[in-house]
Amino acid sequence: ILNVEQSPQSLHVQEGDSTNFTCSFPSSNFYALHWYRWETAKSPEALFVMTLNGDEKKKGRISATLNTKEGYSYLYIKGSQPEDSATYLCASFVSWGKLQFGAGTQVVVTP
Amino acid sequence: EAGVTQFPSHSVIEKGQTVTLRCDPISGHDNLYWYRRVMGKEIKFLLHFVKESKQDESGMPNNRFLAERTGGTYSTLKVQPAELEDSGVYFCASSRRQLSSETQYFGPGTRLLVL
Repeated sequence: ILNVEQSPQSLHVQEGDSTNFTCSFPSSNFYALHWYRWETAKSPEALFVMTLNGDEKKKGRISATLNTKEGYSYLYIKGSQPEDSATYLCASFVSWGKLQFGAGTQVVVTP
Repeated sequence: EAGVTQFPSHSVIEKGQTVTLRCDPISGHDNLYWYRRVMGKEIKFLLHFVKESKQDESGMPNNRFLAERTGGTYSTLKVQPAELEDSGVYFCASSRRQLSSETQYFGPGTRLLVL
């Protein structure tokens, strides 16, 4: 993998259900993986910075895992709420501050 | 602590015109980044300032784009002359350090539409 890829591109979740989605990134020369939550017309909000293989991070109902050897990260949302509707972006730190982003996973939570 | 601010929030211009975008980073953040998201695609890096110096401008598409950060505080990104393909959301981000584990804090973006 040369680019950062996210799947699925979008998903619809019923309120109360849990969901997860994937970020794949180049595993060679890995430095760090950043997760952001972005609502249109607002600033992308930093969720996690993950650096170590096996890392698990949690913020409220949102958590993430990291596998640097195979080059993927999962983001989980437990008990989805309408306010979780957003585009979730992952980005791999490339060098000297440069982040390489995936295209994002758009999550729509319906009541 | 105030976040990263960007001005204007929206800009609609005609092809061939000039537009200047402004970014005010978080106070004390030496590192300032510009990124761009073209419709439906991923956010792409444009350039990185450390204080007033350009650390990396490898993402700048062509010489119609000029970024400055006089005095190491706010930054401007000028597009002259604008082309249709320049339409998109221009994000600015800042960080205290340029370490891989350092969070980059993003502004809300400037939505540029070139007609």
